[in-house]
Amino acid sequence: SQQGEEDPQALSIQEGENATMNCSYKTSINNLQWYRQNSGRGLVHLILIRSNEREKHSGRLRVTLDTSKKSSSLLITASRAADTASYFCASRMDSSYKLIFGSGTRLLVRP
Amino acid sequence: DAGITQSPRYKITETGRQVTLMCHQTWSHSYMFWYRQDLGHGLRLIYYSAAADITDKGEVPDGYVVSRSKTENFPLTLESATRSQTSVYFCASSENDRAHNEQFFGPGTRLTVL
Repeated sequence: SQQGEEDPQALSIQEGENATMNCSYKTSINNLQWYRQNSGRGLVHLILIRSNEREKHSGRLRVTLDTSKKSSSLLITASRAADTASYFCASRMDSSYKLIFGSGTRLLVRP
Repeated sequence: DAGITQSPRYKITETGRQVTLMCHQTWSHSYMFWYRQDLGHGLRLIYYSAAADITDKGEVPDGYVVSRSKTENFPLTLESATRSQTSVYFCASSENDRAHNEQFFGPGTRLTVL
């Protein structure tokens, strides 16, 4: 079964608003990563947070990690229409190079 | 710098036929991965490879075969295609670096099995 589950499955917001997506995982991890997928394209890596980190920023992205709750969140601030895409979390367990992907959140940013 | 490429981008085949999907990366990354993406399932790992001549099963390996004779290539073969293998297939690669491990994805192959 998949390690990561994401919530919500779909999110529709107005341009300029913030978008928050959540991810839960089941076992202890080495790191957790977020990816973006535009329609019809491959996934693109956005940001990685290690298990000993609690928060990380990259431009308009903010990721948090709560290992006690086995959860992470991705916040996109001041969203743009170009942020419309699917977003996936992926967790890497301690003993493996494999990534386990969640089912994704489809984000629609309305202009 | 081509990065990671997949071919073909689109393929239609019939049940029972053998199909090979190609993946090529120019970074000399140690690790390569094959995923399938289906609605409602996200990405599921089919096979992965830690280096040339080293491969291992992922979450959904049944019906698939891989090989890795060269570091840069990681072909995926469907020995006898079934309709349930209709999907979008993504190849990915990553460095042998415990500190990072981000994966770089190809553009995908959309496979339809009739």
